[in-house]
Amino acid sequence: DSGVTQTPKHLITATGQRVTLRCSPRSGDLSVYWYQQSLDQGLQFLIQYYNGEERAKGNILERFSAQQFPDLHSELNLSSLELGDSALYFCASSPFGSSYNEQFFGPGTRLTVL
Amino acid sequence: AQTVTQSQPEMSVQEAETVTLSCTYDTSESDYYLFWYKQPPSRQMILVIRQEAYKQQNATENRFSVNFQKAAKSFSLKISDSQLGDAAMYFCAYRSSPLDNYGQNFVFGPGTRLSVLP
Repeated sequence: DSGVTQTPKHLITATGQRVTLRCSPRSGDLSVYWYQQSLDQGLQFLIQYYNGEERAKGNILERFSAQQFPDLHSELNLSSLELGDSALYFCASSPFGSSYNEQFFGPGTRLTVL
Repeated sequence: AQTVTQSQPEMSVQEAETVTLSCTYDTSESDYYLFWYKQPPSRQMILVIRQEAYKQQNATENRFSVNFQKAAKSFSLKISDSQLGDAAMYFCAYRSSPLDNYGQNFVFGPGTRLSVLP
């Protein structure tokens, strides 16, 4: 158990809908990262937040948005969903000041768009 | 921008044998960190081993060790005494030095699928 939690574990929805994925980082971690992993693909970095502020943006679509709240949990909002958005969405957190700064991954949310 | 390449999409190894997974990366930075992550069928991402670029000594974690060649920008993973539970997707990852902690992301390679044959 990495200490990072993600809810829900599974989500099935229809095209055109909007969903929200939630992530709680490890206690004390200030950075949260979101990744998308499509079937049999590598991880695509979406966005990073550090202590409530957006710090880095990757290949995140305009239909997607995220935020990090004062209690450091983060939400990834996906709107106008398309079939191609079906994927495993990972949240990861990392500490500040660690000598390694490795990321600790949550179990992921599997999104299926029908 | 940094890139990470894993040239072996799939590999297989006999149980109890040794296998080496390749990873190369491209960067202009001198200080950075490298990681190997394992993703078993459960899809959980698990950190296997990590290496600081300024350390010449190769990292070792039990049956897992790396061969870090900074000049060649190579970071291979060796798994000794392979076990059935080692079967997974393995991802090589790069990140910049923590001095540049803000606005940095991890760059992952495309992965190598490892099968362990009984």
